[in-house]
Amino acid sequence: NAGVTQTPKFQVLKTGQSMTLQCAQDMNHNSMYWYRQDPGMGLRLIYYSASEGTTDKGEVPNGYNVSRLNKREFSLRLESAAPSQTSVYFCATLSLSSYEQYFGPGTRLTVT
Amino acid sequence: DAKTTQPTSMDCAEGRAANLPCNHSTISGNEYVYWYRQIHSQGPQYIIHGLKNNETNEMASLIITEDRKSSTLILPHATLRDTAVYYCIVRVIGAAGNKLTFGGGTRVLVKP
Repeated sequence: NAGVTQTPKFQVLKTGQSMTLQCAQDMNHNSMYWYRQDPGMGLRLIYYSASEGTTDKGEVPNGYNVSRLNKREFSLRLESAAPSQTSVYFCATLSLSSYEQYFGPGTRLTVT
Repeated sequence: DAKTTQPTSMDCAEGRAANLPCNHSTISGNEYVYWYRQIHSQGPQYIIHGLKNNETNEMASLIITEDRKSSTLILPHATLRDTAVYYCIVRVIGAAGNKLTFGGGTRVLVKP
Protein backbone atom coordinates (compact mmCIF):
# COMPACT_ATOMS: atom_id res chain seq x y z
CA ASN A 1 0.00 0.00 0.00
CA ALA A 2 2.01 2.96 -1.32
CA GLY A 3 -0.53 5.67 -0.44
CA VAL A 4 0.09 8.76 -2.57
CA THR A 5 3.04 8.70 -4.95
CA GLN A 6 4.47 11.52 -7.04
CA THR A 7 6.91 11.60 -9.91
CA PRO A 8 9.42 13.02 -10.46
CA LYS A 9 10.92 13.88 -7.07
CA PHE A 10 13.07 16.66 -8.52
CA GLN A 11 12.98 18.59 -11.78
CA VAL A 12 14.84 21.53 -13.27
CA LEU A 13 13.25 23.34 -16.21
CA LYS A 14 14.21 26.29 -18.33
CA THR A 15 11.76 29.13 -18.79
CA GLY A 16 9.23 28.22 -21.45
CA GLN A 17 9.62 24.47 -21.19
CA SER A 18 6.65 22.28 -20.41
CA MET A 19 6.27 19.29 -18.15
CA THR A 20 3.70 17.13 -16.40
CA LEU A 21 3.80 16.19 -12.75
CA GLN A 22 2.28 12.82 -12.04
CA CYS A 23 0.32 11.73 -8.98
CA ALA A 24 -1.19 8.34 -8.24
CA GLN A 25 -3.02 6.91 -5.24
CA ASP A 26 -4.02 3.41 -4.23
CA MET A 27 -6.43 4.34 -1.42
CA ASN A 28 -9.57 4.42 -3.58
CA HIS A 29 -10.28 8.03 -2.63
CA ASN A 30 -12.51 10.07 -4.89
CA SER A 31 -11.03 13.52 -4.19
CA MET A 32 -7.53 14.58 -5.22
CA TYR A 33 -5.68 17.89 -4.90
CA TRP A 34 -2.62 19.74 -6.13
CA TYR A 35 -0.90 22.25 -3.83
CA ARG A 36 2.23 24.34 -4.17
CA GLN A 37 4.46 25.46 -1.33
CA ASP A 38 6.93 28.29 -1.76
CA PRO A 39 9.88 28.56 0.63
CA GLY A 40 8.80 29.48 4.17
CA MET A 41 5.14 29.63 3.17
CA GLY A 42 2.04 27.55 3.73
CA LEU A 43 0.42 25.40 1.07
CA ARG A 44 -1.77 26.97 -1.60
CA LEU A 45 -4.34 25.01 -3.58
CA ILE A 46 -3.83 24.98 -7.35
CA TYR A 47 -6.55 22.62 -8.60
CA TYR A 48 -8.66 19.86 -7.16
CA SER A 49 -10.82 17.03 -8.42
CA ALA A 50 -13.79 16.03 -6.32
CA SER A 51 -14.29 12.87 -8.35
CA GLU A 52 -13.21 11.19 -11.56
CA GLY A 53 -14.11 13.35 -14.52
CA THR A 54 -14.36 16.64 -12.61
CA THR A 55 -11.77 19.31 -11.90
CA ASP A 56 -12.02 22.75 -10.33
CA LYS A 57 -9.73 25.72 -9.84
CA GLY A 58 -8.22 26.45 -6.47
CA GLU A 59 -6.52 29.56 -5.16
CA VAL A 60 -3.67 29.82 -7.68
CA PRO A 61 -4.60 28.04 -10.97
CA ASN A 62 -2.98 30.40 -13.48
CA GLY A 63 -0.24 28.77 -15.53
CA TYR A 64 -1.40 25.23 -14.78
CA ASN A 65 -3.71 22.62 -16.23
CA VAL A 66 -4.84 19.34 -14.72
CA SER A 67 -6.17 16.05 -15.89
CA ARG A 68 -7.99 13.44 -13.82
CA LEU A 69 -7.10 10.45 -15.95
CA ASN A 70 -8.99 7.94 -13.82
CA LYS A 71 -9.77 7.46 -10.16
CA ARG A 72 -6.14 6.71 -9.32
CA GLU A 73 -4.30 9.41 -11.25
CA PHE A 74 -4.32 13.19 -11.22
CA SER A 75 -1.70 15.04 -13.26
CA LEU A 76 -0.58 18.67 -13.21
CA ARG A 77 0.81 20.26 -16.36
CA LEU A 78 2.90 23.38 -16.78
CA GLU A 79 2.59 24.42 -20.42
CA SER A 80 5.22 27.18 -20.35
CA ALA A 81 7.20 27.19 -17.14
CA ALA A 82 8.13 30.47 -15.48
CA PRO A 83 10.60 31.18 -12.64
CA SER A 84 7.62 32.13 -10.45
CA GLN A 85 6.56 28.49 -10.60
CA THR A 86 9.66 27.37 -8.75
CA SER A 87 8.16 25.60 -5.77
CA VAL A 88 7.47 22.28 -4.10
CA TYR A 89 4.34 20.63 -5.44
CA PHE A 90 2.26 18.30 -3.30
CA CYS A 91 -0.51 16.00 -4.39
CA ALA A 92 -3.11 14.91 -1.84
CA THR A 93 -6.22 12.79 -1.52
CA LEU A 94 -9.16 12.99 0.86
CA SER A 95 -10.80 10.22 2.82
CA LEU A 96 -14.54 10.87 2.95
CA SER A 97 -14.90 8.56 5.95
CA SER A 98 -12.50 10.48 8.21
CA TYR A 99 -11.99 13.69 6.19
CA GLU A 100 -8.26 13.28 6.56
CA GLN A 101 -6.08 14.43 3.70
CA TYR A 102 -3.15 12.26 2.71
CA PHE A 103 -0.19 13.92 1.04
CA GLY A 104 2.46 12.65 -1.32
CA PRO A 105 6.19 13.26 -0.79
CA GLY A 106 6.31 16.26 -3.11
CA THR A 107 8.03 17.27 -6.35
CA ARG A 108 10.72 19.94 -6.09
CA LEU A 109 10.63 22.05 -9.24
CA THR A 110 13.15 24.72 -10.17
CA VAL A 111 12.59 26.93 -13.20
CA THR A 112 15.61 28.89 -14.36
CA ASP B 1 -13.54 28.74 6.19
CA ALA B 2 -12.78 30.55 9.45
CA LYS B 3 -9.38 32.15 9.81
CA THR B 4 -6.94 30.84 12.42
CA THR B 5 -4.17 32.56 14.33
CA GLN B 6 -1.15 30.68 15.64
CA PRO B 7 2.16 31.71 17.18
CA THR B 8 4.90 31.88 14.58
CA SER B 9 7.27 29.68 16.53
CA MET B 10 7.87 27.99 19.86
CA ASP B 11 10.50 25.85 21.53
CA CYS B 12 9.89 22.79 23.64
CA ALA B 13 12.15 20.60 25.77
CA GLU B 14 12.46 16.96 24.80
CA GLY B 15 10.30 14.75 27.01
CA ARG B 16 8.06 17.59 28.09
CA ALA B 17 4.54 18.29 26.90
CA ALA B 18 4.20 20.74 24.02
CA ASN B 19 1.06 22.89 24.08
CA LEU B 20 0.28 24.56 20.77
CA PRO B 21 -2.45 27.20 20.85
CA CYS B 22 -4.74 28.20 18.02
CA ASN B 23 -7.26 31.02 17.93
CA HIS B 24 -10.33 30.66 15.71
CA SER B 25 -12.68 33.24 17.14
CA THR B 26 -14.89 33.39 14.01
CA ILE B 27 -15.49 29.66 13.82
CA SER B 28 -18.98 28.59 12.79
CA GLY B 29 -21.05 25.92 14.49
CA ASN B 30 -20.48 23.40 11.72
CA GLU B 31 -16.74 23.92 11.32
CA TYR B 32 -14.28 21.35 12.57
CA VAL B 33 -10.79 22.04 13.93
CA TYR B 34 -8.02 20.09 12.19
CA TRP B 35 -4.33 19.84 12.99
CA TYR B 36 -1.65 18.82 10.53
CA ARG B 37 2.10 18.94 10.77
CA GLN B 38 4.85 19.15 8.21
CA ILE B 39 8.27 17.79 8.98
CA HIS B 40 10.99 19.42 6.92
CA SER B 41 10.64 18.74 3.17
CA GLN B 42 7.87 16.18 3.63
CA GLY B 43 4.18 16.32 2.80
CA PRO B 44 1.84 17.41 5.61
CA GLN B 45 0.67 14.70 7.98
CA TYR B 46 -2.75 14.56 9.63
CA ILE B 47 -2.66 14.63 13.44
CA ILE B 48 -6.16 14.99 14.83
CA HIS B 49 -9.47 16.78 14.42
CA GLY B 50 -12.54 17.62 16.49
CA LEU B 51 -15.80 19.55 16.58
CA LYS B 52 -16.43 20.45 20.21
CA ASN B 53 -15.42 17.56 22.41
CA ASN B 54 -11.83 16.99 23.41
CA GLU B 55 -10.14 14.31 21.34
CA THR B 56 -7.15 12.06 21.89
CA ASN B 57 -5.31 9.63 19.66
CA GLU B 58 -1.92 7.97 19.63
CA MET B 59 -0.21 11.13 18.47
CA ALA B 60 -1.80 13.97 20.42
CA SER B 61 -4.70 15.45 22.32
CA LEU B 62 -6.95 18.25 21.15
CA ILE B 63 -8.57 20.52 23.69
CA ILE B 64 -11.31 22.82 22.36
CA THR B 65 -12.68 25.58 24.60
CA GLU B 66 -16.35 25.53 25.45
CA ASP B 67 -17.05 28.56 23.23
CA ARG B 68 -14.97 26.90 20.48
CA LYS B 69 -13.08 30.11 19.81
CA SER B 70 -9.72 28.54 20.54
CA SER B 71 -8.05 25.17 20.85
CA THR B 72 -4.80 23.62 22.02
CA LEU B 73 -2.91 20.73 20.52
CA ILE B 74 -0.97 18.80 23.13
CA LEU B 75 1.97 16.56 22.30
CA PRO B 76 2.31 14.73 25.62
CA HIS B 77 5.99 13.79 25.49
CA ALA B 78 7.75 15.73 22.76
CA THR B 79 10.62 14.04 20.95
CA LEU B 80 13.20 15.47 18.58
CA ARG B 81 11.21 13.94 15.73
CA ASP B 82 8.27 16.20 16.62
CA THR B 83 10.20 19.20 15.32
CA ALA B 84 7.95 20.45 12.53
CA VAL B 85 5.54 23.16 11.41
CA TYR B 86 2.10 22.60 12.93
CA TYR B 87 -0.97 23.87 11.10
CA CYS B 88 -4.34 24.55 12.71
CA ILE B 89 -7.18 24.58 10.17
CA VAL B 90 -10.92 25.03 10.57
CA ARG B 91 -13.36 24.01 7.89
CA VAL B 92 -16.75 22.58 7.16
CA ILE B 93 -16.72 18.90 6.43
CA GLY B 94 -18.41 18.22 3.13
CA ALA B 95 -18.04 21.78 1.86
CA ALA B 96 -17.58 22.15 -1.87
CA GLY B 97 -14.29 20.58 -2.80
CA ASN B 98 -13.44 19.80 0.81
CA LYS B 99 -10.49 22.10 0.45
CA LEU B 100 -7.97 22.67 3.23
CA THR B 101 -6.63 26.21 3.59
CA PHE B 102 -3.18 26.27 5.19
CA GLY B 103 -1.98 29.35 7.02
CA GLY B 104 1.55 30.01 8.25
CA GLY B 105 1.48 27.50 11.10
CA THR B 106 3.66 27.30 14.22
CA ARG B 107 7.26 26.25 13.80
CA VAL B 108 8.02 23.97 16.76
CA LEU B 109 11.60 23.19 17.69
CA VAL B 110 12.10 20.40 20.20
CA LYS B 111 15.41 20.80 21.98
CA PRO B 112 17.40 18.12 23.81
